[in-house]
Amino acid sequence: DQQVKQNSPSLSVQEGRISILNCDYTNSMFDYFLWYKKYPAEGPTFLISISSIKDKNEDGRFTVFLNKSAKHLSLHIVPSQPGDSAVYFCAASGSKAAGNKLTFGGGTRVLVKP
Amino acid sequence: DTGVSQDPRHKITKRGQNVTFRCDPISEHNRLYWYRQTLGQGPEFLTYFQNEAQLEKSRLLSDRFSAERPKGSFSTLEIQRTEQGDSAMYLCASSSEDLPHEQFFGPGTRLTVL
Repeated sequence: DQQVKQNSPSLSVQEGRISILNCDYTNSMFDYFLWYKKYPAEGPTFLISISSIKDKNEDGRFTVFLNKSAKHLSLHIVPSQPGDSAVYFCAASGSKAAGNKLTFGGGTRVLVKP
Repeated sequence: DTGVSQDPRHKITKRGQNVTFRCDPISEHNRLYWYRQTLGQGPEFLTYFQNEAQLEKSRLLSDRFSAERPKGSFSTLEIQRTEQGDSAMYLCASSSEDLPHEQFFGPGTRLTVL
C-alpha cells in the first residue's frame, strides 16, 4: 500500500520559471509533511516542511501548500535555477508517539534547463 | 562538519558474507533512523532508536538484519548472510527532541552484493 505518491516521475522547466511538484497521500494520521532534494550518490537534503494544521509554508524560493481535504500537497520553486536539478521526494511523518518515521513518495526528477 | 556521517560510503561483498555499516548522527540528536533505498524508489523505513533504545523495526527488517546504538550515540547496522536482494543504499538520519519530524540524512552506504 503506497501511502504517499508522486505521480509525475519527471519534470522539465526553463530556468527562471516556476517548478510545481505534486504529492498525494492516503493516511489522514500524518501530521507533518516534508520535501527533500537528492543529488546522485548523496543522501536526501531537507528542504521545507509543513504541519498538518497549516496550509502554506514559505522559505525563500520554496513554498509548500497543503490541501488536507484533498490529501494533496505541492512544492513550488520560483524562480527555478539550474542547481535545482535533482530528484525531489515528498515525505510524510507520523506522530511523535509513532516515532515520526517518514513515509516517502517515489520521487520526481526535475531538470531545469538554462 | 557536524552533519550525519556514514561509513563506509560503498561496500561490495559476495553473497553470504556479513557486512556492518556505521552511522554517526548529529551530536545533540537523540533519535536515529535507518532507511533503505532501492533504484527508482523513495527511502523505506527500517528501524529507529530513541537514545539507546530500539523502538520499532519494520517488517522489511528480516532476522538477518540487526541494529544497535549501544551508548545512544553512533549506531551500527549489520546484515548477516547477505543476499543479492540486499543491494541498496542504506541511509541513516537523525532528529532532535524539539523537531522530531525534521530528519537530517547522511550520505548513505551503497551496498552491492555480488
